[in-house]
Amino acid sequence: DAKTTQPNSMESNEEEPVHLPCNHSTISGTDYIHWYRQLPSQGPEYVIHGLTSNVNNRMASLAIAEDRKSSTLILHRATLRDAAVYYCILRGYQGAQKLVFGQGTRLTINP
Amino acid sequence: GAGVSQSPSNKVTEKGKDVELRCDPISGHTALYWYRQSLGQGLEFLIYFQGNSAPDKSGLPSDRFSAERTGGSVSTLTIQRTQQEDSAVYLCASSLERDTEAFFGQGTRLTVV
Repeated sequence: DAKTTQPNSMESNEEEPVHLPCNHSTISGTDYIHWYRQLPSQGPEYVIHGLTSNVNNRMASLAIAEDRKSSTLILHRATLRDAAVYYCILRGYQGAQKLVFGQGTRLTINP
Repeated sequence: GAGVSQSPSNKVTEKGKDVELRCDPISGHTALYWYRQSLGQGLEFLIYFQGNSAPDKSGLPSDRFSAERTGGSVSTLTIQRTQQEDSAVYLCASSLERDTEAFFGQGTRLTVV
């Protein structure tokens, strides 16, 4: 499985934007970039995913570098509820499709 | 149901006993995953079912662990001769197809005493 690298932790303030980076230099052409987050004492929840183009949904935006070797999850206006562990995952379209979680980034939001 | 359902939500068992954990995926979802998460740790992949394909068992930590998915729906994760290190939250997830978002259950907290 292609590997991703994320900072162990990040901190931000409420109502400010948050940019969560992910490096995936060994990404293959058929790998999708998925983001999940895990709130305290809950199972993970899907946030967003993309292949090449930037993506937006109601939760966040995903900015993908032109060479696809890195991506950034953007929370436009963080709330206290966004405090969670954020996981960046590569998921191939062909072959095995298992979803493998790394250690993720623990995001703390200050009031 | 509307989401992935796991039962029991909590299970305390004695060391050496067998346990069965159940997962009811979202209706129509062809992909089903099992993970475990020890206290303060990340998610450890255990096994993945996709339709009628042979399951990916590469994450099962030992031959004491096994899982079945009957009729392409409900799945059971069985742990034989439980050990204290098996204590963790066991999470199940399902997705409509192999490349769409996965929905997670609330997990089963297993405590081996």
